Amino acid sequence: DIQMTQSPSSLSASVGDRVTITCRASQGISQYVNWYQQKPGKAPKLLIYAAFSLQTGVPSRFSGSGSGTDFTLTISSLQPEDSATYYCQQSYSTPTFGGGTKVEI
Amino acid sequence: EVQLLQSGGGLVQPGGSLRLSCAASGFTFSSYAMSWVRQAPGKGLEWVSTFSGSGSSTYYADSVKGRFTVSRDNSKNTLCLQMNSLRAEDTAVYYCVKSLVGETTTFDLWGQGTMVTVSS
Repeated sequence: DIQMTQSPSSLSASVGDRVTITCRASQGISQYVNWYQQKPGKAPKLLIYAAFSLQTGVPSRFSGSGSGTDFTLTISSLQPEDSATYYCQQSYSTPTFGGGTKVEI
Repeated sequence: EVQLLQSGGGLVQPGGSLRLSCAASGFTFSSYAMSWVRQAPGKGLEWVSTFSGSGSSTYYADSVKGRFTVSRDNSKNTLCLQMNSLRAEDTAVYYCVKSLVGETTTFDLWGQGTMVTVSS
């Protein structure tokens, strides 16, 4: 199975900060990466699919980039409601998820 | 309204069985692959199983292969997960999820989740 390694595992930032989360795949996966946001006690929510496509209804401060093995989720201006855990996931083969990044405000 | 409504779950002894159900509404159920994803307490997400939208192909994580069976009834817009020979490590919240497009494993719609606890 393809392993997805996320970093950092947690971070603390202030409102208005630019936040970057990275995800590295154990082998090349083209752009088959998705990003999810999960708040405590809730189901995950799809933010970004196919590396950089913004899911309908997701604020434009979220963006994704990358190809091959290295991927990035960026929040351009952190908002209080962005406090959550973020997961990357590869859909190139048998789906696997990164370990998650907890973002605290 | 587009939604997935889950039922089932609960407390079961090791070696026991449990059946989860997921009722879909608001979209053409038969056009999409459907999957189960689980999350152990305080842990990350783990894909469990997928049932294709077209045809009848099924896929399983190695950790559940031979013990879990996924099924779907397109006439009733329902996805099920039959879990047998349950182990303590199967304890998790189980989510029913819909694929964004066709047979992809990009998950754009999630059920509310149902807790499965395997303990004596």
